Amino acid sequence: NAGVMQNPRHLVRRRGQEARLRCSPMKGHSHVYWYRQLPEEGLKFMVYLQKENIIDESGMPKERFSAEFPKEGPSILRIQQVVRGDSAAYFCASSPPGGVEQFFGPGTRLTVL
Amino acid sequence: GENVEQHPSTLSVQEGDSAVIKCTYSDSASNYFPWYKQELGKGPQLIIDIRSNVGEKKDQRIAVTLNKTAKHFSLHITETQPEDSAVYFCAASKSNTGKLIFGQGTTLQVKP
Repeated sequence: NAGVMQNPRHLVRRRGQEARLRCSPMKGHSHVYWYRQLPEEGLKFMVYLQKENIIDESGMPKERFSAEFPKEGPSILRIQQVVRGDSAAYFCASSPPGGVEQFFGPGTRLTVL
Repeated sequence: GENVEQHPSTLSVQEGDSAVIKCTYSDSASNYFPWYKQELGKGPQLIIDIRSNVGEKKDQRIAVTLNKTAKHFSLHITETQPEDSAVYFCAASKSNTGKLIFGQGTTLQVKP
């Protein structure tokens, strides 16, 4: 059973470009969470999604950031018009229906030049 | 707001010694407390968790204790080995929300 998959693993963007981060949850998992980790810091919750629904987006910046988890395909975290402060590791986690354990992917390390 | 404080930020022990990491949480409604191990360049790995209806849980060399009254929980690693060296994070959540609130992390170094 493959774990949580994220791609790309590393992403470099120039200021003003768009970044699209993908997350495929573990098989059988229908809940997806996105977290951001700044250098030398802990993980900060961004958003919690189920298929076609945003359950909690209280950690998402109000502008430029959006997330989706369509009926088919991976969950996408989209950052428009990236700035240097967006440079961080972005982690996706998934959990099964009715479960509380969250299993993390390897992360996408975004660098904004 | 919801907050989790973790101490110490760094911990260095000799191989074979025990290591203890402590966390306190602010939201008394929290009822799920996982611990994650993160190695350099990798994602966090769930190593043990505890729910609020249990005071202690053990899995081989690692154990977690929870004091709901004081709102703190601890990770205990016995007989430490060099491969235990990593950053450890505690977290807390209310199980019906899904949102994990993480501590700041503890860098554990086990010296051979």
